[in-house]
Amino acid sequence: AQTVTQSQPEMSVQEAETVTLSCTYDTSESNYYLFWYKQPPSRQMILVIRQEAYKQQNATENRFSVNFQKAAKSFSLKISDSQLGDTAMYFCALVPRKNAGNMLTFGGGTRLMVKP
Amino acid sequence: GAVVSQHPSWVICKSGTSVKIECRSLDFQATTMFWYRQFPKQSLMLMATSNEGSKATYEQGVEKDKFLINHASLTLSTLTVTSAHPEDSSFYICSARRGGGETQYFGPGTRLLVL
Repeated sequence: AQTVTQSQPEMSVQEAETVTLSCTYDTSESNYYLFWYKQPPSRQMILVIRQEAYKQQNATENRFSVNFQKAAKSFSLKISDSQLGDTAMYFCALVPRKNAGNMLTFGGGTRLMVKP
Repeated sequence: GAVVSQHPSWVICKSGTSVKIECRSLDFQATTMFWYRQFPKQSLMLMATSNEGSKATYEQGVEKDKFLINHASLTLSTLTVTSAHPEDSSFYICSARRGGGETQYFGPGTRLLVL
């Protein structure tokens, strides 16, 4: 079984600044995928970034990057140059590689507010 | 690519009626689709996993006879809430996974209100 924990229920950041969202997880699997999803007020879940656990290089997608620390089982999301449109719920999630048909395990979410 | 649609986007129905929600993968074939339920300000709760051509796998506590899932083709899965009651009111989200892939792509969700 897997668990994903997001310890920050809510965060705020000023527009154009940088913010980091925390995520820790626990799994007995040696290989797995990690994701960050964004859910804006429209409630559409949008994939922000994904990381394969066997890759040491941190994933980057434009203003979004992760700090993946496998030994510490930590997977934080950094948002640079925050924009008003980044205001959303952010969910960290994990799925084992062994059987990618397995379900995603989600964290409880972090509500991010970007202030003008 | 990887677009998933849901229909309807919202529905209001009377208690005791059945409601069908469709989930379609528009530009890829989805061997596996997932149905989630989300309560306000909470995370997504997996209800069931749907594999094309086979019976759905339900999570513990989810009534199979209450939430009927059909995945008859590689691009369509349906969730039917049978004899809906006010406590079934919620936000239902589907996701789809490409065959062999690891990423789930989500539909826009369906808001259900049972009066």
